[in-house]
Amino acid sequence: AQSVTQPDIHITVSEGASLELRCNYSYGATPYLFWYVQSPGQGLQLLLKYFSGDTLVQGIKGFEAEFKRSQSSFNLRKPSVHWSDAAEYFCAVGAGTASKLTFGTGTRLQVTL
Amino acid sequence: SAVISQKPSRDICQRGTSLTIQCQVDSQVTMMFWYRQQPGQSLTLIATANQGSEATYESGFVIDKFPISRPNLTFSTLTVSNMSPEDSSIYLCSVVPFSGETQYFGPGTRLLVL
Repeated sequence: AQSVTQPDIHITVSEGASLELRCNYSYGATPYLFWYVQSPGQGLQLLLKYFSGDTLVQGIKGFEAEFKRSQSSFNLRKPSVHWSDAAEYFCAVGAGTASKLTFGTGTRLQVTL
Repeated sequence: SAVISQKPSRDICQRGTSLTIQCQVDSQVTMMFWYRQQPGQSLTLIATANQGSEATYESGFVIDKFPISRPNLTFSTLTVSNMSPEDSSIYLCSVVPFSGETQYFGPGTRLLVL
C-alpha cells in the first residue's frame, strides 16, 4: 500500500528565510509525486509534480522540489519565504497522472514578519 | 487546466438529513474523484466517480452512505446521507483532464452537521 509521511506538523519561519518541507513516501513502483498548497478557506492548488526525468522540479510561486529515490523523499524548498506563503502544504503520491492520490497529513507553515 | 465549481460552498445541516454536493467542470474530463477532509486532517479518498456506472468506493466508505452519480463527463454529485456530526468535513471533488497531465481540485464544500 502506498503512504506518505510529512514529519513536520507545524513550521514557523521568518519572512525572507529559506524553507524546506519534508515528505517521505512508500510506494512499490515508480511514484508520481505532487505538492499541493491549501490556503485558509481555499481549495487545493498544485505547486509542482514529479513524474520522471530531472529529479529537481520547478513549480509555481518560486517553489522547487527534489526527488531522491534512495531516500524515498520529495522535499519542497523555497529560497526566500513571503508572508503570503503561510498555508497548509500537502505531499501526495499516486500511481499515475490519472490515478487516485494518497496524501500526507500536511505541514502548516506560519510566516513571521 | 480545468475550472471546477462546487455547490454549495458551505452548509449547516441537522443530523439525520442528507445533502447533495455538486461538482461541475468547464470541460470534459476523464477521471473524477471525491475526497473528504475532516477537521485538522488530511484528505482521504471516498470514491472514484465513474461515468455511466457505479462509483468505486474506498475501504471504509459505502454507497448507502455516500451515493455518487456521474451522468456525463463534466458533472458529478456526492450525497452525504443520514448525516451525523462525524460527517462534518470539507468535501472536495477532483478531476483529471483528458490530457492526463495532473489532478485538479475544486474549492470544496464545507459541511457542518449539528
